Amino acid sequence: AQTVTQSQPEMSVQEAETVTLSCTYDTSESDYYLFWYKQPPSRQMILVIRQEAYKQQNATENRFSVNFQKAAKSFSLKISDSQLGDAAMYFCAFQGAQKLVFGQGTRLTINP
Amino acid sequence: SAVISQKPSRDICQRGTSLTIQCQVDSQVTMMFWYRQQPGQSLTLIATANQGSEATYESGFVIDKFPISRPNLTFSTLTVSNMSPEDSSIYLCSVDLGGRGGEQFFGPGTRLTVL
Repeated sequence: AQTVTQSQPEMSVQEAETVTLSCTYDTSESDYYLFWYKQPPSRQMILVIRQEAYKQQNATENRFSVNFQKAAKSFSLKISDSQLGDAAMYFCAFQGAQKLVFGQGTRLTINP
Repeated sequence: SAVISQKPSRDICQRGTSLTIQCQVDSQVTMMFWYRQQPGQSLTLIATANQGSEATYESGFVIDKFPISRPNLTFSTLTVSNMSPEDSSIYLCSVDLGGRGGEQFFGPGTRLTVL
């Protein structure tokens, strides 16, 4: 079974600084997708960024980028120029042939 | 994209009773998903609901406890039956529009507290 591990239960960063959230996963599949979802206090889960495993190029969405290391099964999220609105729970997720599997989450706090 | 609404947004229920949660999507979708998020925890898939067929339940979840209906392509319900305090969680429904590997869109969740 696939597992997703987020080793940082909590992270904090100063506003305008950069922060990196870690995620590792375990799978025997070669074709899969990786995601970062954000869950703010309002509870609405929102997709932040998505990576296809067969693509070597790291995905980027504005201030959000990933460092995808397929051999190491690592998928970290970098948030640049952190903003107060970035404060949320961040979940790393994996999807192979079947269901979406989520990590335990990292609570990100932005310090003004 | 998809806009998903859930009712109720929250409820407080007594042990032994049942609660039905509704999920409405603004477009027709093949599969709808129900998740449970226990306090401070991650999301765990309960079941996948396809229109016109029985829901597929994940390990640890059974139909008698979590019956699901899927009467059409825009609506689903999840019932939490014979509730106990351990059922206190946030329940979320979601859909994906692009199939495997695509973005999943989530409802705002239903916060359930069982006394």
